[in-house]
Amino acid sequence: AQTVTQSQPEMSVQEAETVTLSCTYDTSESNYYLFWYKQPPSRQMILVIRQEAYKQQNATENRFSVNFQKAAKSFSLKISDSQLGDTAMYFCAFTYYGGSQGNLIFGKGTKLSVKP
Amino acid sequence: ETGVTQTPRHLVMGMTNKKSLKCEQHLGHNAMYWYKQSAKKPLELMFVYNFKEQTENNSVPSRFSPECPNSSHLFLHLHTLQPEDSALYLCASSPWEGGEETQYFGPGTRLLVL
Repeated sequence: AQTVTQSQPEMSVQEAETVTLSCTYDTSESNYYLFWYKQPPSRQMILVIRQEAYKQQNATENRFSVNFQKAAKSFSLKISDSQLGDTAMYFCAFTYYGGSQGNLIFGKGTKLSVKP
Repeated sequence: ETGVTQTPRHLVMGMTNKKSLKCEQHLGHNAMYWYKQSAKKPLELMFVYNFKEQTENNSVPSRFSPECPNSSHLFLHLHTLQPEDSALYLCASSPWEGGEETQYFGPGTRLLVL
C-alpha cells in the first residue's frame, strides 16, 4: 500500500524567511508523481509544484522548490522569501502509473503560518 | 470562467432534503473527481469519471449519487444525508492523457447537514 506522511502538523515562519516542509512516502512503484498542494483559508486546493519520479532534477516554481530524494523516499518543499499569502495548509500527495485512476494519495497536511 | 468551478459554495440541508452539488471544468480535461474533506482527516476520494464513465467508487454510501452528463460537468446528488456527512466536498479534474494525472481542484462546497 502507498502512504504519504507529513510529520509536521503545524509550522510557523517569519515573513521573508525560508521554511521547509517535510514529506515522506512509501511505495514499491518506480514510476510515479509527487505533488505539493496549498489550501488557504479560502479552501481552494491549489497546485504548488509537481515532480516526476524519473526526473533527477528538483522541480522549482518561483519561490517554491523541492528536495526530491528518491532513495530515501523524501519530498520536502522549500518556500523562500515567505509571504503572508503563503499562510495555508500544505498537502503532499502521490500517484503512480498503473494505479487506479484518481488514486492521488494525500498526507494529513501541515498548517503553515507566516507571521509579519 | 476558468479552471474548475463549483456551486453552491455553501449548503445547509436537513436529513430529509434532496440537493445537488455541481462542478464544471473549463480546462478541456477528460477525467473528473469528487472528494470529501472532513476535519482532521486526509482527503477521501469518492468517485472518478473518465470520459463520462464512472471508473471508481470508493465504497461510498448510496445516499451520494454522482452524475456525469459530459466531460465538463459533474454532479453529486444528495439525499437523506447524515450529520456526519457534513464536510467540504471538492471537485477536481485531470487531463488523463497517457497517464497525465495532475489534478486541478475547484473551490469546494461547504456542506452542513442538520
